[in-house]
Amino acid sequence: EVQLVESGGGLVQPGESLRLSCAASEFTISSYWMSWVRQAPGKGLEWVANINQDGSEKYYGDSVKGRFTISRDNAKNSLYLQMNSLRAEDTAVYYCARDLSDRSSDYWGQGTLVTVSS
Amino acid sequence: DIQMTQSPSSLSASVGDKITITCRASQSVRRYLSWYQQKPGKAPKLLIYAASSLQSGVPSRFSGSGSGTDFTLTISSLQPEDFATYYCQQSYSTPNTFGQGTKLEIK
Repeated sequence: EVQLVESGGGLVQPGESLRLSCAASEFTISSYWMSWVRQAPGKGLEWVANINQDGSEKYYGDSVKGRFTISRDNAKNSLYLQMNSLRAEDTAVYYCARDLSDRSSDYWGQGTLVTVSS
Repeated sequence: DIQMTQSPSSLSASVGDKITITCRASQSVRRYLSWYQQKPGKAPKLLIYAASSLQSGVPSRFSGSGSGTDFTLTISSLQPEDFATYYCQQSYSTPNTFGQGTKLEIK
């Protein structure tokens, strides 16, 4: 069964950094675009970033551009999100997802909670 | 950025009802429109992709239609497990924006 497992979330102070990981199993991520989507407590879904199969194309949401970096290690079958200069408004559950050819997301992880607070 | 607007924001309905949720894009997204269902504390689940294609394993009571700027998600006969929040998403251009969500509640 296809599975995505996020890790790396936690409590950090404003201005600090955090790196999220997403480990994939039962499929090879090298064949897929992959995405990060977040959801602030009690709010809707917000698309964060996506990356193509070989990592040569990366796109970001306006609210994270210049602070977050998406990357992948196809050899480790893993996706990453490096988050710098974190702000209180970055507090959310972060999901990784596998994308279909039309960039809709057919498989999602269970999410990892990032809390930015002093 | 393309803005996605869903209506209504909330909806009360009964088991067996037919309901429709609308999603409007601020500019054409062709057919790059998907629908997701999310239950509390769970990850979103893909229901419809490419505006009208039913994701594998999703019951046939769910259907999607539309192209360009106007899209609909229809549930033909509500079941108890369908009460959840529904989101549309455009993937025509980045950022791949979501609608604000429609919360479907039991009447």
